[in-house]
Amino acid sequence: KNEVEQSPQNLTAQEGEFITINCSYSVGISALHWLQQHPGGGIVSLFMLSSGKKKHGRLIATINIQEKHSSLHITASHPRDSAVYICAVRKYSGGGADGLTFGKGTHLIIQP
Amino acid sequence: NAGVMQNPRHLVRRRGQEARLRCSPMKGHSHVYWYRQLPEEGLKFMVYLQKENIIDESGMPKERFSAEFPKEGPSILRIQQVVRGDSAAYFCASSPELHSPLHFGNGTRLTVT
Repeated sequence: KNEVEQSPQNLTAQEGEFITINCSYSVGISALHWLQQHPGGGIVSLFMLSSGKKKHGRLIATINIQEKHSSLHITASHPRDSAVYICAVRKYSGGGADGLTFGKGTHLIIQP
Repeated sequence: NAGVMQNPRHLVRRRGQEARLRCSPMKGHSHVYWYRQLPEEGLKFMVYLQKENIIDESGMPKERFSAEFPKEGPSILRIQQVVRGDSAAYFCASSPELHSPLHFGNGTRLTVT
C-alpha cells in the first residue's frame, strides 16, 4: 500500500464546477504539499501546510492531522485549471531530513 | 529573481554514455532536492543536498548515480553508463530553509536510445 493515496485518479468536470481532490497518508508528517503539474511538465508548488486551512485565489487546501487527510478544492473551475494535482508529504525523520513522498496524482480536466 | 534553472531541457543519450543534469537553485536557496518521474509513474525522491554536503541520498540507486552541490556552481546529477530504464523526467527543487515551500525547475527529460 502506498504511503500517500490520492482520489480520484482522474476527474473530468464542466467549467464552473466545484472540484475536490483528496489525499490520505499513513505516516507521521511534518508538512503536506499540494503541487500542480501542467501538460508541459513544469511543477508549481500550490500549498505547504501542516495544520488547518489555506486559501489562495480560487484554491483552498485543508488538512486534518488526526485523520491523516487533506483536501484540495477549486472553486469556479476553469479549463486552465486542467492539470495533474499531486499531494506530497514530508515525513518525520530521525536525525536528518527526508525528501518528499508523492501521491500518484489526480489528472483533472475541466471542459468548457 | 530567476527561478530554479535546469538544463538541458531535453537530453538524448545512447546506452552506455554518461548523462549530466544541471540545476541552479533560486538565489539564496541552499537546499536542493532531485526527483525522478518515470513514464506513467509518480515523482520519487532521489537525493537532498546542501552546499558541499549530501544530506539524504536514500532515494538514489546504489550504482551509476551520483549527485553533488559544490560551493560554486550548480548542482549536478550524474548518471554513468545509462540504460533505457533511466529514461525519465528529472526535476530539481530548491528551498531557502529546511521546512520552506519548494520551488521546482522545469525538469530535464532524459531519453536513452
